[in-house]
This record gives sequence, C-alpha cells and structure tokens, in this order.
Amino acid sequence: EPEVTQTPSHQVTQMGQEVILRCVPISNHLYFYWYRQILGQKVEFLVSFYNNEISEKSEIFDDQFSVERPDGSNFTLKIRSTKLEDSAMYFCASSSDRNTEAFFGQGTRLTVV
Amino acid sequence: DAKTTQPPSMDCAEGRAANLPCNHSTISGNEYVYWYRQIHSQGPQYIIHGLKNNETNEMASLIITEDRKSSTLILPHATLRDTAVYYCIVSRQNTNAGKSTFGDGTTLTVKP
Repeated sequence: EPEVTQTPSHQVTQMGQEVILRCVPISNHLYFYWYRQILGQKVEFLVSFYNNEISEKSEIFDDQFSVERPDGSNFTLKIRSTKLEDSAMYFCASSSDRNTEAFFGQGTRLTVV
Repeated sequence: DAKTTQPPSMDCAEGRAANLPCNHSTISGNEYVYWYRQIHSQGPQYIIHGLKNNETNEMASLIITEDRKSSTLILPHATLRDTAVYYCIVSRQNTNAGKSTFGDGTTLTVKP
C-alpha cells in the first residue's frame, strides 16, 4: 500500500539553527500539507501546497517557515532559525484531490535544545 | 469551518460496537464531516467522511442526522488496536480536512 514517508524520524537541533524536514508524498498525489503537534496538544494545520505554490497557510506558518517541492518526489519544510517552541511532531500529508482524504506520514519529532 | 464537540473519552469492550458521537450544530450546507484517528502519536489516519447520507467502508460506518447537526462514528467490532484518539472534523468541500486544526477528539479505550 502506498504511504507517505518522512525523514528523519527524530531530529535534534540547536536553537537558532536551520532545519529541513523531508517528506515523500504518495506518488500520484497533487496536494501536500504540513501539520505540527506539540507534545500533548492538538494537531495543527501549517500549510497546504498545490501546483508548486502555497494554497493556504495558518497563522503559525510565519516567515520562519518555508516549503518547497525541489523535485518530483520530495516535499520539504524548512524552519530558518529554530526556537525552543518549535519542538513538536511534524506531520506531512498528501491527497490526490482537495476533496479527498489526506494520508499522513509517521512524523518527524523535532527537538530544539 | 464549523466547530465540533466530542466527549473527551469513552470505553468499549473488545468485540462490541463503539459508537462515537460528534456535535456540529453550526455546520453549513457545503461542509463535509470527516473522521480521523491517531494511534499513540502516530500520524493521523483517515477513517471515513460524508456529507448527508450515511456512509460505510471497511473500517467504520458514519451516521449523520437528518439536520446534519450531529453524527456518530461506529466501529462495529472494536479491537484492542482501535484504541486511539478519534477526531471529528467539519470541512468545506473544496478543502477536505486539509486546513482544519484537529480538535481535542475522543480518546477511545478498548478493553479486553
């Protein structure tokens, strides 16, 4: 069964450093998403991406965040200068259409120290 | 998107049906009801969605009231592996559940 793959599973970084979280969506999907879940809190939408551009973003997705689809398979989330409060589980998801279910990856646990 | 209200927790005996309610009294005509679940901090998993009619798939059934202000997710024969947090999300047709923040959900504990 096709699945969304995220790497790494756990990343530790120092405050102020840049991190790039990587995702390989399901191959024929066209819509891509990033979410985060701070430990013990809700799953929060960050951004959706379609046709090589951001289609929607939440208030959380400020100038420190960016997304990119550098090639035909990867979808990345970059945090330019990490803060302690960026520590969370980050989930990537993809869907074949904007009106169909989203399939989630297993997440990357980001720890900022 | 409309707000949803779910009970914080429920228990269910293994092998019995689990019925998880959700209130979405402010739902509008073009909004779908989606259900996802999250097993122990794994990525959320899609279960089912519907607009007006009841829906059934290999995982669950979704019963939506006629006025669409509430719905019930039914897991017909719950197993221990169904222990998870279940999220009811209401989302417009053209966004699926993509831009919704998942609420607090219902923690379902299936007991032997």
